[in-house]
Amino acid sequence: GESVGLHLPTLSVQEGDNSIINCAYSNSASDYFIWYKQESGKGPQFIIDIRSNMDKRQGQRVTVLLNKTVKHLSLQIAATQPGDSAVYFCAEIARDSSYKLIFGSGTRLLVRP
Amino acid sequence: DVKVTQSSRYLVKRTGEKVFLECVQDMDHENMFWYRQDPGLGLRLIYFSYDVKMKEKGDIPEGYSVSREKKERFSLILESASTNQTSMYLCASSFSGNQPQHFGDGTRLSIL
Repeated sequence: GESVGLHLPTLSVQEGDNSIINCAYSNSASDYFIWYKQESGKGPQFIIDIRSNMDKRQGQRVTVLLNKTVKHLSLQIAATQPGDSAVYFCAEIARDSSYKLIFGSGTRLLVRP
Repeated sequence: DVKVTQSSRYLVKRTGEKVFLECVQDMDHENMFWYRQDPGLGLRLIYFSYDVKMKEKGDIPEGYSVSREKKERFSLILESASTNQTSMYLCASSFSGNQPQHFGDGTRLSIL
């Protein structure tokens, strides 16, 4: 399938290593954040979310960290697998715009066997 | 699991045609959305709906309209297709404003 973005930042990791994907957001009114994974030829798939009253949330092999002071979000993937290769997007929803997701530009994760 | 189904994976139409893209969700979600995704431009919101027969413009509504006659179905209409509307179109739904949006697998539309 076609790539979802040209010249996306790319993170290349060895299979089995941990991956950290970063995202900066600009709207201090944002109070809900989501990470999506998009594989080639598919729509974005929900991975994990976090609300602004939390700093950290864990899922299965994934952890999201939120630093409101510097408006930074990160997604940590433990023991990265070939199936994790995809483009990852962060998205935010502002308190005063509860329907509108603002998407980051995405990061391509490549897992080396 | 939430399922958002878009009626076509690939579609080829001609300039000037009226094009309908259909989306159905099976989780009784209140909100539904249409995006387009283009390389280098990311996902851009075209229209959304927070209730039956309700619609709101997104960031790039020009050249598009929508219809939501039933809660589970949200249609995107290209009134007179143009080549700059060649894109990947993604439908999404969510239970409420502060809940995750769930996406379909997209319709890759080519306008010749």
